[in-house]
Amino acid sequence: AAGVIQSPRHLIKEKRETATLKCYPIPRHDTVYWYQQGPGQDPQFLISFYEKMQSDKGSIPDRFSAQQFSDYHSELNMSSLELGDSALYFCASSRRRGAYQETQYFGPGTRLLVL
Amino acid sequence: KNEVEQSPQNLTAQEGEFITINCSYSVGISALHWLQQHPGGGIVSLFMLSSGKKKHGRLIATINIQEKHSSLHITASHPRDSAVYICAVLPTSGTYKYIFGTGTRLKVLA
Repeated sequence: AAGVIQSPRHLIKEKRETATLKCYPIPRHDTVYWYQQGPGQDPQFLISFYEKMQSDKGSIPDRFSAQQFSDYHSELNMSSLELGDSALYFCASSRRRGAYQETQYFGPGTRLLVL
Repeated sequence: KNEVEQSPQNLTAQEGEFITINCSYSVGISALHWLQQHPGGGIVSLFMLSSGKKKHGRLIATINIQEKHSSLHITASHPRDSAVYICAVLPTSGTYKYIFGTGTRLKVLA
């Protein structure tokens, strides 16, 4: 079965550069969630989208923005990168059924290293 | 105090041992996920539970909603089971944001 796809899997950037991470949800999933996991830390929720609209916002820095496109894939845009942005960024997707969300399926993650 | 706590934080076992990892949470939940994270970071979803017990191969996960507690058991452990195991809960608050535990780092020695 198709899983959540993230690209790239690894990314190296320098300080003050920009980066774009992509997440392709499981087919027919309409909701995408982004999480950030710093070295040795718990994953933290950043932002989520449902039907191309932002549905919830967590600890996402102002330097970051994200959107969900008409094909339901999502992109996380990161500008003015800082060393502390080095982390694993993974997304999850799910499908909404009425008032409920079905289970989230996690992607493999993009490991970002800022030098 | 974290809303989701796991124990132990680190665990070293010999190949073949029976392993138990525990997860306790303090919020009402609609679902609990056990995740496996290998070196390099990729996350694999092992189980999603809302009640009872699930089994997949050598892995068994149980949840007690009343006691707000879940366990992940690994029978006949193998070195390839070495990974970080993370418990994540979906609160009933309706925001659909998972709260993650601190993870249990498991190392199985041959």
